[in-house]
Amino acid sequence: NAGVMQNPRHLVRRRGQEARLRCSPMKGHSHVYWYRQLPEEGLKFMVYLQKENIIDESGMPKERFSAEFPKEGPSILRIQQVVRGDSAAYFCASSPPPLPGQGGTGELFFGEGSRLTVL
Amino acid sequence: QQQVKQSPQSLIVQKGGISIINCAYENTAFDYFPWYQQFPGKGPALLIAIRPDVSEKKEGRFTISFNKSAKQFSLHIMDSQPGDSATYFCAASIGRSNSGYALNFGKGTSLLVTP
Repeated sequence: NAGVMQNPRHLVRRRGQEARLRCSPMKGHSHVYWYRQLPEEGLKFMVYLQKENIIDESGMPKERFSAEFPKEGPSILRIQQVVRGDSAAYFCASSPPPLPGQGGTGELFFGEGSRLTVL
Repeated sequence: QQQVKQSPQSLIVQKGGISIINCAYENTAFDYFPWYQQFPGKGPALLIAIRPDVSEKKEGRFTISFNKSAKQFSLHIMDSQPGDSATYFCAASIGRSNSGYALNFGKGTSLLVTP
């Protein structure tokens, strides 16, 4: 009964390189969310995806960041040309599809995070 | 801007005491208010949640108090234990939105319960 799996747990990149973070949701969950956590800050919503669809990317920076959740395989958060300010913990969460009439009132199940350090 | 404001930033409580963490929000469309607990190096995990149709919800030693008119809600941890030492996040979301269960989090409260 595996939970949300994220890898790598730790990633070090030099400025200008690319970072790819992967997330496999819990079994039976078809909805994935990515959050970023900076030191002394809460979790900031980045993007919400269903299989093959980006539903809400209102929290994603306009440049260098992209996310996908293909039909097969994990969800991927991609950061191109990383800068020092991208250093953070990136958390993935998953949920089952919202039940009719329940809307956005349900539990998110979080992975243990991927900690990106940009040198 | 921060849609959910949380205080205090840090809290030290003696074992057996009551820990109280407060949150405030502005968006009256929010209708789901969970609290998440996070241990170092781990992801957040749901602790307890409330909807605005009730003013209080209790689960074991954890209680949420909700004041809809004041747009505030709080977490009370009774008989606090050293194992409760963690970071606590309040959050809020809008039901019937297009964002699934996407949550707006407070900045967190670091709780230390001393023996």
